[in-house]
Parts: sequence; structure tokens; C-alpha cells
Amino acid sequence: AQSVAQPEDQVNVAEGNPLTVKCTYSVSGNPYLFWYVQYPNRGLQFLLKYITGDNLVKGSYGFEAEFNKSQTSFHLKKPSALVSDSALYFCAVRASGTASKLTFGTGTRLQVTL
Amino acid sequence: DSGVTQTPKHLITATGQRVTLRCSPRSGDLSVYWYQQSLDQGLQFLIQYYNGEERAKGNILERFSAQQFPDLHSELNLSSLELGDSALYFCASSQSGNQETQYFGPGTRLLVL
Repeated sequence: AQSVAQPEDQVNVAEGNPLTVKCTYSVSGNPYLFWYVQYPNRGLQFLLKYITGDNLVKGSYGFEAEFNKSQTSFHLKKPSALVSDSALYFCAVRASGTASKLTFGTGTRLQVTL
Repeated sequence: DSGVTQTPKHLITATGQRVTLRCSPRSGDLSVYWYQQSLDQGLQFLIQYYNGEERAKGNILERFSAQQFPDLHSELNLSSLELGDSALYFCASSQSGNQETQYFGPGTRLLVL
């Protein structure tokens, strides 16, 4: 069975500082990995995905994520955080070649302060 | 705005009742997915339809059912509602249902009293 772990319930960072939101996964075969963001009372917005190729994936709003196969991780990063980045972030995984069930992590709340 | 629409936005009903949630996918998307988000269970995949046919099933209760119509919109039917069914229900869509991205609607918040 596939699973995702987001070990931090909340990440606090000052505006202008770099941020990292951690994600590790477990899946049979090659993973398809996704990051979504959820603002209050809104649906999930797609940020970026890793399917194959370059381990560093660039996405929306200046976010990027690094795929590390040996550590089975897909951490979300941003060089300089903004207060408007404060939201709930979800990592998700799906095994390649299967029906499209996405398994989500429990989410990490990012709080960016001035 | 993802292009996925869901109605209604909010729904309040009583235990034992039945409700229908509606989803319209993005233009050109053939696949629709339903998810439930609750505080204790997190985000759970319920079911997927592709071009009118059921393709994958997740943690969907027998009291719940879904369908996708010829115009590709989808409905999720929840019956014999229980307090524990109170949650945010999301619909997502994608082009074909394989490795491409799923785009989520704004959700329907269901409160069962």
C-alpha cells in the first residue's frame, strides 16, 4: 500500500527566510509525487509534480521540490517566504502504471510571520 | 480558479437523510474523482469515473454512490447520513485519469445534525 508522511504539523518561518516542508513516501514501483496547497475555505490548488526526469522540480508561486529516491523524500522548498504563503500544504503520491488513486499526507500548516 | 465547479457550497441536513453533491469537471477533462476531507480521516479518495465508467474505488461507504453522466458532470449521492459523514467533499478532474495532474474544485461542506 502506498503512503505519505508529513512529519511536521506546523512549520513557522519569518518572511524573507527560506522554507522547507517535509514529505516522505512509500510506494511500489516508480512514484508520481505532487504538492497541493489549501487556503482557508478553498479547494486544493496544484503547486507542482514529479513524474520523471530532473530531480528538482519548479512549480507555481516560486515553489520547488526535490525528489530524492534513496531517501524516498519530496521536500517542498522556497528560497524566500511570503506572508501570503501561509496555508495548509499537502504532499501526495501515486504509483506509476496504476489506477489514479492519490494518497495524501496529513498536511503541514505553514505560518509565515513578519 | 481551477475550472472545476461544485454545488452546493454548503449543505446542512439531518441524520438519516439523503443528499446529492454535483461536480462539473474542467472543459475537456474526462475523469472525475471524489474525495472526502475530515479532521480525523484527512483527505480520503472515494471514487473515480472516467468517461462515464467507474475506474477506481477507494474508501467509499456502501451508503455512498456516484455516477458520471454523458455530459461528464458527476454526482455523489450520500444516503442514510450519519453525524460522522460531516466533512468537506471535493471533486477533482483530469484529462484522462493516468499520471496527469488532478485539479480540485472548491468543495461542498456537509454538516449532518
